[in-house]
Amino acid sequence: GAVVSQHPSWVICKSGTSVKIECRSLDFQATTMFWYRQFPKQSLMLMATSNEGSKATYEQGVEKDKFLINHASLTLSTLTVTSAHPEDSSFYICSATAYYGYTFGSGTRLTVV
Amino acid sequence: GNSVTQMEGPVTLSEEAFLTINCTYTATGYPSLFWYVQYPGEGLQLLLKATKADDKGSNKGFEATYRKETTSFHLEKGSVQVSDSAVYFCALIKLDFGNEKLTFGTGTRLTIIP
Repeated sequence: GAVVSQHPSWVICKSGTSVKIECRSLDFQATTMFWYRQFPKQSLMLMATSNEGSKATYEQGVEKDKFLINHASLTLSTLTVTSAHPEDSSFYICSATAYYGYTFGSGTRLTVV
Repeated sequence: GNSVTQMEGPVTLSEEAFLTINCTYTATGYPSLFWYVQYPGEGLQLLLKATKADDKGSNKGFEATYRKETTSFHLEKGSVQVSDSAVYFCALIKLDFGNEKLTFGTGTRLTIIP
C-alpha cells in the first residue's frame, strides 16, 4: 500500500535555530501533501496544504514565514520551522493523498529548548 | 465551521471488555466520517469509514454507524485485545467545491491490560 515516510521522528533544538522535517511518499506520487500540528490533548490542526511545484496554501493563523513549506518533487515535501522558539514545540505530522485516501507519516516530535 | 468532539481519554480496559469511544460532529450537509488509529511509533492508519447516513463501517472487529439524527459516529468493539492499545482519532471530510479537508477530534488513548 501507499507509504509515507517522515523524518526525523523526534528532534531537540536550541531556541533560535531552524529545523527541517521531511515527508516522502515511498511508492506513489503525491501531488498534494498536508502538514498538521498537534498540541497535547488537542486535535491535529491543519497548518498548510502543499502542492508540488507551487506555493503552499496556509491555514488562517499560520505564519508562512515561520513555517516554510517546499514541495519540489512529487515524492518530497519539507517543513522548515525557522527561528524556533519553545512555543513551537509540538507534534508535526504530514499526510499525502493516495489512490484510496489519506496516508500519514509517523510524525515528528519537536522540542525547542 | 466543521468540528469533531471526541471522548476524552485516556481509557483503560481489561482484555475482552466491551469498548465504546464516543464521537459527535458538527458540519453542514453530509460529511464523510472516519476513524483513524495510531499505534505507538507509527503514523495514522484508516480504521474504518462511512460516507452516508446509516452506513456502518467495520474493520478488525471495530464498528461505527453514521447516525445523522444524533450527528454521531461512535466506535465500538465487542472484545478488545492488548494489541488494540493505541490512540484513536475520529475525523470528518466535508467536500466543498473541491476544498476537501480532514477535521480531527482530539484523539482518545486506549490502553488494554491483560
